[in-house]
Amino acid sequence: GQQVMQIPQYQHVQEGEDFTTYCNSSTTLSNIQWYKQRPGGHPVFLIQLVKSGEVKKQKRLTFQFGEAKKNSSLHITATQTTDVGTYFCAGLSNNFNKFYFGSGTKLNVKP
Amino acid sequence: DTGVSQNPRHKITKRGQNVTFRCDPISEHNRLYWYRQTLGQGPEFLTYFQNEAQLEKSRLLSDRFSAERPKGSFSTLEIQRTEQGDSAMYLCASSFDGEDGYTFGSGTRLTVV
Repeated sequence: GQQVMQIPQYQHVQEGEDFTTYCNSSTTLSNIQWYKQRPGGHPVFLIQLVKSGEVKKQKRLTFQFGEAKKNSSLHITATQTTDVGTYFCAGLSNNFNKFYFGSGTKLNVKP
Repeated sequence: DTGVSQNPRHKITKRGQNVTFRCDPISEHNRLYWYRQTLGQGPEFLTYFQNEAQLEKSRLLSDRFSAERPKGSFSTLEIQRTEQGDSAMYLCASSFDGEDGYTFGSGTRLTVV
């Protein structure tokens, strides 16, 4: 079955440092989405990537979709305490109609 | 529209009891999904509906679980003869034709004692 893996599992950074989380799929993906879940909250949609090699930016967040459409990354520049939470990627393969979520990267930002 | 609504927020039940959760999706969304999330893990797919039709059910879902979406609007998820392993957050999400992002509800946290 489809598997979506994320690394690292945890990341502790000092406020102002950069952060990157990586997502890898065992199969070629049609789309990939990224979500953020605050502690005690529910996943909130951030962005969707569809095209091979696509790069999208949202303020300090940069999202990339690999050329082979099997991996993706989320990079946060100059983290802030408001970035604290767990970041999930979710992949949609060509054969499925629902997104499979990775296990997430939990980000802690020390002020 | 205030987004996806789930009830109850919390449910504590004794092992062996039946429980039912409700999800009210965003009204314009034709797709509704149920996911389960345990601590430290990502949401795990359970089942999804397009309008009133249940199109897919995870193999992880035992026959104790059943979901309905009778009129293509709200959905219910029932768990019969609950077990301690059923303890988790049950998340509902909706979308329009599976495009764009899912909008998740706040979830129902189930504790089986």
